[in-house]
Amino acid sequence: KQEVTQIPAALSVPEGENLVLNCSFTDSAIYNLQWFRQDPGKGLTSLLLIQSSQREQTSGRLNASLDKSSGRSTLYIAASQPGDSATYLCAVSTDSWGKLQFGAGTQVVVTP
Amino acid sequence: NAGVTQTPKFRVLKTGQSMTLLCAQDMNHEYMYWYRQDPGMGLRLIHYSVGEGTTAKGEVPDGYNVSRLKKQNFLLGLESAAPSQTSVYFCASGLGQGYNSPLHFGNGTRLTVT
Repeated sequence: KQEVTQIPAALSVPEGENLVLNCSFTDSAIYNLQWFRQDPGKGLTSLLLIQSSQREQTSGRLNASLDKSSGRSTLYIAASQPGDSATYLCAVSTDSWGKLQFGAGTQVVVTP
Repeated sequence: NAGVTQTPKFRVLKTGQSMTLLCAQDMNHEYMYWYRQDPGMGLRLIHYSVGEGTTAKGEVPDGYNVSRLKKQNFLLGLESAAPSQTSVYFCASGLGQGYNSPLHFGNGTRLTVT
C-alpha cells in the first residue's frame, strides 16, 4: 500500500527565507504527484502537478522536484512571505482514475 | 464560475441520525471524489465516481453511501451517524482518465456527531 510522509509536521521561518518542504512515498509506480495548499477552514488549492515522466515543475516562486527512484519530492518556495503561511499537502496518484493518497501535511508559519 | 460547491458547511448530528452531504461541480468533470480529513491523518478517500451512474469504494467506505444520479452532483450519505464520523468532509472533481490534471476541491463540510 502506498504511504506518503511529510516531514516536518510544522515549520516556522522568518519572512524572506526560502522554504523547503519534503514529501516521501513508498511505491515509485506513481501516475503523478501533486502539491496543494490549504488555508484554515478552507479547501485545498492545487499548486503544482508533476507527471511521472517529469523531474520538476515551476510556477512563479514555487518549484517542485520529483525523484521517483528515491520516492521523494521537494517543494521550494522562494523568498517566503507572511501570505505563504498555510498547510502544504503532498499527494500521489497511483492510477489513471485520479485517486490521491495524501500525506498529513506540513504547517508553515512565515513570521514578519 | 463556482467550481466545486459543498452544502452544508457545518452540521451537528446526534448518534444514529442520518444526513446527506451534497457536492455540485460546474466544470463538466467526469470524476468526483469524497474525502475525509482528520487531524494528523491527512485526507482519506471514502468513495469516488468515474461518471454519471457509477460509484466505487475508496479506502474508508464503511458507514457511508453515495450516489451520482447527475454528472454534476455527487451525494454522500450517512445512514446512522457515529461519533467516529466526526470529521471534515471534502468533495473533489477531475477531468478523468487520460487527463493528467489536478483535482479541484470544495471548501469542506465540518460534521460533528455527538
